[in-house]
Amino acid sequence: AQSVTQPDIHITVSEGASLELRCNYSYGATPYLFWYVQSPGQGLQLLLKYFSGDTLVQGIKGFEAEFKRSQSSFNLRKPSVHWSDAAEYFCAVVNGGATNKLIFGTGTLLAVQP
Amino acid sequence: EPEVTQTPSHQVTQMGQEVILRCVPISNHLYFYWYRQILGQKVEFLVSFYNNEISEKSEIFDDQFSVERPDGSNFTLKIRSTKLEDSAMYFCASSEEQGWETQYFGPGTRLLVL
Repeated sequence: AQSVTQPDIHITVSEGASLELRCNYSYGATPYLFWYVQSPGQGLQLLLKYFSGDTLVQGIKGFEAEFKRSQSSFNLRKPSVHWSDAAEYFCAVVNGGATNKLIFGTGTLLAVQP
Repeated sequence: EPEVTQTPSHQVTQMGQEVILRCVPISNHLYFYWYRQILGQKVEFLVSFYNNEISEKSEIFDDQFSVERPDGSNFTLKIRSTKLEDSAMYFCASSEEQGWETQYFGPGTRLLVL
């Protein structure tokens, strides 16, 4: 069965520092991968997505993610974190079944310290 | 920018009561979804809906749950007799097509069952 693993439950970085959030997936075929962000009291906002082609995907708010098939990973990166990036980040894969439901990881809670 | 809206933002109910959660998907979207997130856990798929019928449902979506698109704009989730374990954040999502099309999420309804 398809699954997504986000090994880091909680990460704290300093403002201005670089960030990498890990995501590993289990999927038999070429996956469709997504990163969503959830700010406190808000819904899920799409940061970026990978379907095919260039393995380095650019998203909103200065985020990017790299698809590495050999490692079954889709890690999210940002070169310089801003305090407003504090939120919970979810990696997800499309199931590919009848309706292509999203299968989410458990999320990584990002804290940004001054 | 069009967005998915949900009402109410918060709902408190007594165990055994019926609740209806409402969603207005993006107007030209054809596929509709409900997900839920129990506090501290991952976002889980509940049900998908297309062409006025359920396309897929998870094992969570038992007989206590139902969905409906009563008119051209609203999409509702009804829980007939709420249980304590139904307490969660419920997210509605919609997409223009299925497959790899992005699902756009609403801000969620936080349901508390006492």
